[in-house]
Amino acid sequence: QKEVEQNSGPLSVPEGAIASLNCTYSDRGSQSFFWYRQYSGKSPELIMFIYSNGDKEDGRFTAQLNKASQYVSLLIRDSQPSDSATYLCAVKVRGSARQLTFGSGTQLTVLP
Amino acid sequence: NAGVTQTPKFQVLKTGQSMTLQCAQDMNHNSMYWYRQDPGMGLRLIYYSASEGTTDKGEVPNGYNVSRLNKREFSLRLESAAPSQTSVYFCASSWGSEAFFGQGTRLTVV
Repeated sequence: QKEVEQNSGPLSVPEGAIASLNCTYSDRGSQSFFWYRQYSGKSPELIMFIYSNGDKEDGRFTAQLNKASQYVSLLIRDSQPSDSATYLCAVKVRGSARQLTFGSGTQLTVLP
Repeated sequence: NAGVTQTPKFQVLKTGQSMTLQCAQDMNHNSMYWYRQDPGMGLRLIYYSASEGTTDKGEVPNGYNVSRLNKREFSLRLESAAPSQTSVYFCASSWGSEAFFGQGTRLTVV
């Protein structure tokens, strides 16, 4: 079983809709959870992080964490064509110096 | 503020050739990392350095060596390139949990 799993997509949503991106992880020692956005041909950039169970909102983005279910999600409200990118889920295990373990990413396309 | 700088941006090697990918950060971060990214595979950790003078293997270290030259610089060396090492390579650095990435090096081994 992969440590961090994401649906590879592609996921297509119409402009203005809510995009829902999902991620599951296998290590119950996981402590911190991150969402990175990567435009084609570019490097990943951090858009959200969450440490505690529940929801965390930042503008149009909401991260949701459920440690009991080992599940983290990213909701993008009022999706825009500029949100079209690959979204990478990353997990940090408590006490690990290895930093982040990444999922394979979900490719999102927002249709005008 | 340059952040994390990688060189070169593009490289084509013949099988068996060697090369070194350079990475430098100007954010005074202790930790630095090398990842490779292949289609459908996400980012996989090759080597990391938690502090100056230390390096450790990641998920896919075979065929690579690293040097943490000083706090700023962390290089990745391919001693004898193989077609399986065709990939996009990213260097990253971090102080806390957030990792900052360089622009990437697109390497093709023919």
